[in-house]
Amino acid sequence: EIVMMQSPATLSVSPGERATLSCRASQSVSSNLAWYQQKPGQAPRLLIYGASTRATGIPARFSGSGSGTEFTLTISSLQSEDFAVYYCQQYNNWPPSITFGQGTRLEIK
Amino acid sequence: EVQLVESGGGLVQPGGSLRLSCAASGFTVSSNYMSWVRQAPGKGLEWVSVIYSGGSTYYADSVKGRFTISRDNSKNTLYLQMNSLRAEDTAVYYCARDRVGQYYYYYYMDVWGKGTTVTVSS
Repeated sequence: EIVMMQSPATLSVSPGERATLSCRASQSVSSNLAWYQQKPGQAPRLLIYGASTRATGIPARFSGSGSGTEFTLTISSLQSEDFAVYYCQQYNNWPPSITFGQGTRLEIK
Repeated sequence: EVQLVESGGGLVQPGGSLRLSCAASGFTVSSNYMSWVRQAPGKGLEWVSVIYSGGSTYYADSVKGRFTISRDNSKNTLYLQMNSLRAEDTAVYYCARDRVGQYYYYYYMDVWGKGTTVTVSS
């Protein structure tokens, strides 16, 4: 099973600054990588799929990059509503399963 | 509007059973891959099970043999039958619609319910 590792566990950034979150896969997942945002008491929200495609309605300040084993989620200019926990996710072909990273908590500095 | 609404959570004793429901609107459950994902208190997301549009089902090792995913096409509803519940099954359970690209080039969950809480405790 492919293991997803996110870093850092917690990231402190000031509003208006750039945030860079990382996700590493234990083996190549090509571009089959999604990112989600979760705020307290809410369901996860899809941000990025296919490593770099923004989901419908996601602001352009969110961008994803990477392929193979190394992926990055960048938030170009943090807004107050962006402070949340972010998860990466990939799909294992066989046996079919889905794996999430452990999450990165983005907090206000 | 595309929407998922979970129900059926509650307090159950260890060894007990519970059936979760996920009512869909705005799309057809049977035409999509559908997953259950859970989140233990203060923890991250853990995938639980998926049912493919063709009916194949798959489970996380942690629930295999105890949980069963199914759907009722006439009710456009997804279910998760949970038996032999353990304290470690305590979590918020979300249902989600999965989107899958050709040859699984991409795989993600684009619609999520608000979740239903399951507490396993004596």
